[in-house]
Amino acid sequence: QSVLTQPPSASGTPGQRVTISCSGSSSNIGSNYVYWYQQLPGTAPKLLIYRNDQRPSGVPDRFSGSKSGTSASLAISGLRSEDEADYYCTTWDDSLSGGVFGGGTKLTVL
Amino acid sequence: EVQLLESGGGLVQPGGSLRLSCAASGFTFSRYALTWVRQAPGKGLEWVSGISGSGGSTYYADSVKGRFSISRDNSKNTVYLQINSLRAADTAVYYCAKCLSTVTPCLNFDYWGQGTLVTVSS
Repeated sequence: QSVLTQPPSASGTPGQRVTISCSGSSSNIGSNYVYWYQQLPGTAPKLLIYRNDQRPSGVPDRFSGSKSGTSASLAISGLRSEDEADYYCTTWDDSLSGGVFGGGTKLTVL
Repeated sequence: EVQLLESGGGLVQPGGSLRLSCAASGFTFSRYALTWVRQAPGKGLEWVSGISGSGGSTYYADSVKGRFSISRDNSKNTVYLQINSLRAADTAVYYCAKCLSTVTPCLNFDYWGQGTLVTVSS
């Protein structure tokens, strides 16, 4: 059971906007930055969003992050077939004194 | 070019030990924190352990505390993960990841290794 809760799956058609949620608590999301990773099959994860809503260089602006209270969201607009992957949120948990990941969301592009 | 190369994985019996290594190149090694993240077959990511650039600060997930030990040798540009008292639940690909910034602890990893598989089975 993950400390951060993500929906196990999400889907959309090309061009659509999809949102993936990540729910936590006051000891993790509520008091720390949230990060998002994309993992394509058979590859290492790739950083998509850092510090809640910042994109590393090279990440398309179709990807955006937000945080409110003890929840965070990743939005993908203009969905493309190559966005089909697993997406993970992560943050620091002050009670655990360690990092925590969400269980991951498998995004399918229909 | 930044590279992280993990090694040391393999098949080990329950209760056994392994030492994983992550050899780094392409950046000023001692400035950056490094972290181990694992992924059980077909499962999600799990944060395992992190270490500051100097090695003076270390962090562990509750699931490995007391059994795993992270260290680094900045003269060899290598970080290690000593894993003891292995259990079947420790079976996973272990990734080494470099922090994007010099802040510790960190969760913004800009480079990852290819991973090394640890299989715990009798």
